[in-house]
Amino acid sequence: TQLLEQSPQFLSIQEGENLTVYCNSSSVFSSLQWYRQEPGEGPVLLVTVVTGGEVKKLKRLTFQFGDARKDSSLHITAAQPGDTGLYLCAGAVGFGNEKLTFGTGTRLTIIP
Amino acid sequence: DVKVTQSSRYLVKRTGEKVFLECVQDMDHENMFWYRQDPGLGLRLIYFSYDVKMKEKGDIPEGYSVSREKKERFSLILESASTNQTSMYLCASDRDSTDTQYFGPGTRLTVL
Repeated sequence: TQLLEQSPQFLSIQEGENLTVYCNSSSVFSSLQWYRQEPGEGPVLLVTVVTGGEVKKLKRLTFQFGDARKDSSLHITAAQPGDTGLYLCAGAVGFGNEKLTFGTGTRLTIIP
Repeated sequence: DVKVTQSSRYLVKRTGEKVFLECVQDMDHENMFWYRQDPGLGLRLIYFSYDVKMKEKGDIPEGYSVSREKKERFSLILESASTNQTSMYLCASDRDSTDTQYFGPGTRLTVL
């Protein structure tokens, strides 16, 4: 079973600061997804990265897939309280989503 | 909008009871999934189904079974609940293996 370790596990920062969350594995994934989960809700997909070295931007969020497709990072610029939530990465092996391996999660709190 | 609904948000059961968790999706999705979510462990796949009456074991199927008699409904069954099955249970669905997975809000199950 592939493992995806996320770091840090918890992060609490002031509004306006920048932060980076990491997702690391010793396994190669065909694609990697990032989700955000708010309290009382299920995870919601933010982005999927497919190509090694790929960088995707979603407003203030920048996602990068490692060259070897074993790791990924999520960078948030000028964090806002609305960014608060649990961030999960998930890796797929092969072409489908049937067996996504989810990361351990990073709980982010942005303090106004 | 895709909607995945779960029958209960909170459930409290006693050890040894038979427990049914129900999930319904309204988008005619082929695939449905059951995960459990525990702090520091991310989401772990219990079972998934790619068609009516078809099921595949995930990473942690022990102590669980599933039923998919209709396309829109996927049930998770705990034949004899145990305290180590206390967890958040999340249902998800997608159209096909390349599609986004949509999650329900989760059922927080406590087994006493």
